[in-house]
Amino acid sequence: KQEVTQIPAALSVPEGENLVLNCSFTDSAIYNLQWFRQDPGKGLTSLLLIQSSQREQTSGRLNASLDKSSGRSTLYIAASQPGDSATYLCAVYGGATNKLIFGTGTLLAVQP
Amino acid sequence: EAGVAQSPRYKIIEKRQSVAFWCNPISGHATLYWYQQILGQGPKLLIQFQNNGVVDDSQLPKDRFSAERLKGVDSTLKIQPAKLEDSAVYLCASSLDLSAYGYTFGSGTRLTVV
Repeated sequence: KQEVTQIPAALSVPEGENLVLNCSFTDSAIYNLQWFRQDPGKGLTSLLLIQSSQREQTSGRLNASLDKSSGRSTLYIAASQPGDSATYLCAVYGGATNKLIFGTGTLLAVQP
Repeated sequence: EAGVAQSPRYKIIEKRQSVAFWCNPISGHATLYWYQQILGQGPKLLIQFQNNGVVDDSQLPKDRFSAERLKGVDSTLKIQPAKLEDSAVYLCASSLDLSAYGYTFGSGTRLTVV
């Protein structure tokens, strides 16, 4: 059974800092991994999708890496801003079941 | 393009009452998902439809939860009777097909059972 874990559960940083969020999964037979952002009272917004054959994806100040063999992914946020405050979720697709399985999330607060 | 619409946004009910949630997916999206997100946890898939057929409902508590997708478009999720532990945000999502790409999520319905 695929299990997805994210650490830390919560993170508070001052504005301008670079930060790393971690995601680990138990079944490495995935098709892809996605990072989502969730704002309070709103749905999920997809930030980055990494195919199983890829090592990383970049979008603006965000960079996500994938090490499928070790079951790990990181989301790097450069020069954090208060507007980055949200919950970040990683999700994997594939493995034994063709469905999107989410991690527990990291609640990020960027202090101005 | 309009997003995934869900209603109501909030609902408070007493335990043992029934409740229903509605979802209208993006036009043309064949696949529809209902997720349950308990506070502090990631979303958990309850049921997945392809058009109006069920693809996966392995984590749906069928003794109290039911869902349907009439005509392969709108969907309703019902809980009867509700328990305290059903308090959560219920998210609906849709995608073009059974793949890992192009998920669009609605804003969710926050259910509180008292």
